[in-house]
Amino acid sequence: TQLLEQSPQFLSIQEGENLTVYCNSSSVFSSLQWYRQEPGEGPVLLVTVVTGGEVKKLKRLTFQFGDARKDSSLHITAAQPGDTGLYLCAGARNQGGKLIFGQGTELSVKP
Amino acid sequence: GAVVSQHPSWVICKSGTSVKIECRSLDFQATTMFWYRQFPKQSLMLMATSNEGSKATYEQGVEKDKFLINHASLTLSTLTVTSAHPEDSSFYICSAVNVGVNYGYTFGSGTRLTVV
Repeated sequence: TQLLEQSPQFLSIQEGENLTVYCNSSSVFSSLQWYRQEPGEGPVLLVTVVTGGEVKKLKRLTFQFGDARKDSSLHITAAQPGDTGLYLCAGARNQGGKLIFGQGTELSVKP
Repeated sequence: GAVVSQHPSWVICKSGTSVKIECRSLDFQATTMFWYRQFPKQSLMLMATSNEGSKATYEQGVEKDKFLINHASLTLSTLTVTSAHPEDSSFYICSAVNVGVNYGYTFGSGTRLTVV
């Protein structure tokens, strides 16, 4: 059973388009994190959200944590080829506890 | 910032041999570390939770006798893949919990294991 359902799993878009990645669960998480991973490397943390309804922005990336702390979204505005990569959401039920990952979203941004 | 060093970054071994992967927290103490494996084009799957000074907790379906985990100090956890087979070939990644930084998770750079 996948605790975190991430969608879409694959996304191919043109440079300049907007996109949203979703991460949903029936469970409540104390924190939810978004990572980006390049091939052959470990995941790199983009953001951590801990408060229901929280919105965080990182340049063209906007992250939102659902009010009930069961879901999250990542929105990228005006995607660029440099945004290409694997995006992963991950949630922890308690602070410092097991971090469970969603299926990942393979994003390809074509020039 | 917090750094986790994972070694080796890649290893090729013969079928039937054992391989040890090290995960070190360089500038913080980690009582808890996690081990993941990742197949190509897939997400990270949690294998086990490594606790300093006690036995590791394995996820369902992970063979504890095949994937030996030792967390003998606050800065080092090791994963030993015993009697490796080609199907064990994968990307293994460790993560350490940094209590001092709001329980943040810091990941190693991964180990590419190829069993031939």
